[in-house]
Amino acid sequence: EPEVTQTPSHQVTQMGQEVILRCVPISNHLYFYWYRQILGQKVEFLVSFYNNEISEKSEIFDDQFSVERPDGSNFTLKIRSTKLEDSAMYFCASSSELYITGELFFGEGSRLTVL
Amino acid sequence: QQPVQSPQAVILREGEDAVINCSSSKALYSVHWYRQKHGEAPVFLMILLKGGEQKGHEKISASFNEKKQQSSLYLTASQLSYSGTYFCGTPPNSGYALNFGKGTSLLVTP
Repeated sequence: EPEVTQTPSHQVTQMGQEVILRCVPISNHLYFYWYRQILGQKVEFLVSFYNNEISEKSEIFDDQFSVERPDGSNFTLKIRSTKLEDSAMYFCASSSELYITGELFFGEGSRLTVL
Repeated sequence: QQPVQSPQAVILREGEDAVINCSSSKALYSVHWYRQKHGEAPVFLMILLKGGEQKGHEKISASFNEKKQQSSLYLTASQLSYSGTYFCGTPPNSGYALNFGKGTSLLVTP
């Protein structure tokens, strides 16, 4: 069964360092998302991406964050200068339909720990 | 604009029933339900659309009251595998992403 894959599964970094989280969405999906989940809290929307551009972003997704689809398969989230509060599980998701009627397929997540 | 879920947590014995509620302060086109087991990614359960259409994979039933802007997830004859955190998600007024509630933690015990 097709799945969304994310790497790395866990990354530890020092505050101020740049981090890139990678995702390979399901191949025929058109819509891509990043969500994050601080330990024990709800899943928070960061950004959506469609047709090679950002469709929507939340207040969390400030200038420190960027997304890219460098080739036909990878979808990356870059945090330019990490802060302690960026420590969270980051989930990539993809869907074949617009979110209103489409099931989101989540990856297993990348746990980011900022020291 | 996040939906509000209740209760925050439920503990059941295997075989018992539970209802998880999700409400919104704004008109909804759809409500989405996901379950997340500890340490895993959220997994799709169901979409309920305005007009009564439902899309889902599991033998879990749900309702969507458009007028009251509420949805309820019904877990009947619960199994140990039902344990996890249940999130409802609702679309914003415009945009492409779901806003999730804070989740309802469900624990089913033997």
